[in-house]
Amino acid sequence: EAGVVQSPRYKIIEKKQPVAFWCNPISGHNTLYWYLQNLGQGPELLIRYENEEAVDDSQLPKDRFSAERLKGVDSTLKIQPAELGDSAVYLCASSEGQGLGETQYFGPGTRLLVL
Amino acid sequence: DAKTTQPPSMDCAEGRAANLPCNHSTISGNEYVYWYRQIHSQGPQYIIHGLKNNETNEMASLIITEDRKSSTLILPHATLRDTAVYYCIVRPHTGANSKLTFGKGITLSVRP
Repeated sequence: EAGVVQSPRYKIIEKKQPVAFWCNPISGHNTLYWYLQNLGQGPELLIRYENEEAVDDSQLPKDRFSAERLKGVDSTLKIQPAELGDSAVYLCASSEGQGLGETQYFGPGTRLLVL
Repeated sequence: DAKTTQPPSMDCAEGRAANLPCNHSTISGNEYVYWYRQIHSQGPQYIIHGLKNNETNEMASLIITEDRKSSTLILPHATLRDTAVYYCIVRPHTGANSKLTFGKGITLSVRP
């Protein structure tokens, strides 16, 4: 069974440019998460979806970050415009049920470098 | 803030048991202890979780002290592929506070 798929794996952009990350969760998983991981730190939750509804976006910087999960399957995370401090790894995860206690399965992440 | 304390790093010899400690002195009665690990350039991977009884699966064993203020993750026969950052997390099984809150984890280096 395929795991969580993310693309691209790496992205280099100049500051002020837009960037988008794509995530395909494990088939049948209703809950999808986006995390941000800075170098040397653990992942931090940005947003959680249950089906197509964003149920926790309290940590998402809404001035420049946006996310969507159309049809409750794939999801896209966008940054516009990117800043130097956005350089990090963006991780997507999914879980089967609609409870936070479910085991989360992570993708490999997208490593973003903003120059 | 993470509710757990882990040493920053440790190492062990290949083939030997790796015992990774975690302190969680403020754990609440409804909070479970979870362990995830993150191999370089990969996303975190679930290992095991427990409430108060010791747990074992194909990857590891989890030993939780009787007062639940600390726990130890045991990799019985560490291999080079076990080199990773290991995160100890306490969280309720359900509810609004059940999100995964990662700290910095402990870096395990398995040497040949």
